[in-house]
Amino acid sequence: DGGITQSPKYLFRKEGQNVTLSCEQNLNHDAMYWYRQDPGQGLRLIYYSQIVNDFQKGDIAEGYSVSREKKESFPLTVTSAQKNPTAFYLCASSTLGGLFSSYNEQFFGPGTRLTVL
Amino acid sequence: EDQVTQSPEALRLQEGESSSLNCSYTVSGLRGLFWYRQDPGKGPEFLFTLYSAGEEKEKERLKATLTKKESFLHITAPKPEDSATYLCAVSNAGGTSYGKLTFGQGTILTVHP
Repeated sequence: DGGITQSPKYLFRKEGQNVTLSCEQNLNHDAMYWYRQDPGQGLRLIYYSQIVNDFQKGDIAEGYSVSREKKESFPLTVTSAQKNPTAFYLCASSTLGGLFSSYNEQFFGPGTRLTVL
Repeated sequence: EDQVTQSPEALRLQEGESSSLNCSYTVSGLRGLFWYRQDPGKGPEFLFTLYSAGEEKEKERLKATLTKKESFLHITAPKPEDSATYLCAVSNAGGTSYGKLTFGQGTILTVHP
């Protein structure tokens, strides 16, 4: 089955600890994205990548880092610099389409819930 | 700056009671407007993409429409299994924002049997 997988489903972090969230897709999508979702709020973009070995900051990148060494994988590290990391983290992927194409529906993984102890 | 506002924040319906959810948006150049459904503790599930004013799309009991300023998600004769949070998002046609989505805060729909 084609899709997006995220692991772990639940993650607990101690103060001052870095943690890495995994995201893998087998949809052959070029673009991948990381979002953060807090209760009662919309999804906010953390980082996105349109091609291997390249990525851009989203709206709330501070305290996070990413890598894109393979087309299928886009791990997110939540560093100790992120002061309020407790949230639901969602990974998504999409095709890019052409410059004037409207086709960029994003498909989401099941999410990782991170809690700071 | 792109903005998306959804209303109401929460909607309670009786089974079979049709209604609509609203998504108002401000974007410099609309590439697409997207509707998603999200169940508690899960990732959003893609429903529709609308590209231009006047466009309509349907799926089972759901129908999405688009104007130049807003989109509506009409739910006809809803069932309890339609209960979920419905998210609206827009994609900007600007080059530096390519592929980025701006989401609204969602509408929590509860359908009682």
